[in-house]
Amino acid sequence: EAGVAQSPRYKIIEKRQSVAFWCNPISGHATLYWYQQILGQGPKLLIQFQNNGVVDDSQLPKDRFSAERLKGVDSTLKIQPAKLEDSAVYLCASSLERTGSIGYTFGSGTRLTVV
Amino acid sequence: DAKTTQPPSMDCAEGRAANLPCNHSTISGNEYVYWYRQIHSQGPQYIIHGLKNNETNEMASLIITEDRKSSTLILPHATLRDTAVYYCIVRAYSGNTPLVFGKGTRLSVIA
Repeated sequence: EAGVAQSPRYKIIEKRQSVAFWCNPISGHATLYWYQQILGQGPKLLIQFQNNGVVDDSQLPKDRFSAERLKGVDSTLKIQPAKLEDSAVYLCASSLERTGSIGYTFGSGTRLTVV
Repeated sequence: DAKTTQPPSMDCAEGRAANLPCNHSTISGNEYVYWYRQIHSQGPQYIIHGLKNNETNEMASLIITEDRKSSTLILPHATLRDTAVYYCIVRAYSGNTPLVFGKGTRLSVIA
């Protein structure tokens, strides 16, 4: 089966600019996650969707980050305005089951550099 | 916060078994132990998970102690391609609890 697709693969922007990332999960996967991974650390959950509804966005910096999942399939994550500390890899993952007895599948991520 | 403790790094000779330990002394009865790995410039990859019985698949074996307070991931014949960061995660089976990653163990397989 096709994996989780993410684009772009790399992005360099100046601080205070805006940026958007796109994720296409595995077909039929109802649950979608966005993680932020700063260099040298493990991934940190930003937001979790179940179909097109938000399940958990408690760690999403809502003053600058937003995410949506239209029609319960593709998802976009936006940062506006970006700060230097937003430099990280943004990972999208999807899973078939809500309970997670089956593992997540991750995309390769988008590496964001804010200068 | 992550509920597991792992050594920050380990080395293993190519062809030998790699045994990666994980401590999860506060694990609850409904929580599974998951292992993921992350090869450089890739997203994390699912390896294996278990509740209390030992598990084996084509990638690895998972040994969970009887009291479930610790576990060991075993890669039986490590290759250079197994060089990666390995994450041990405990997660409830039910509900919407997401995977919470710690810093993991950086495994270096040496020729």
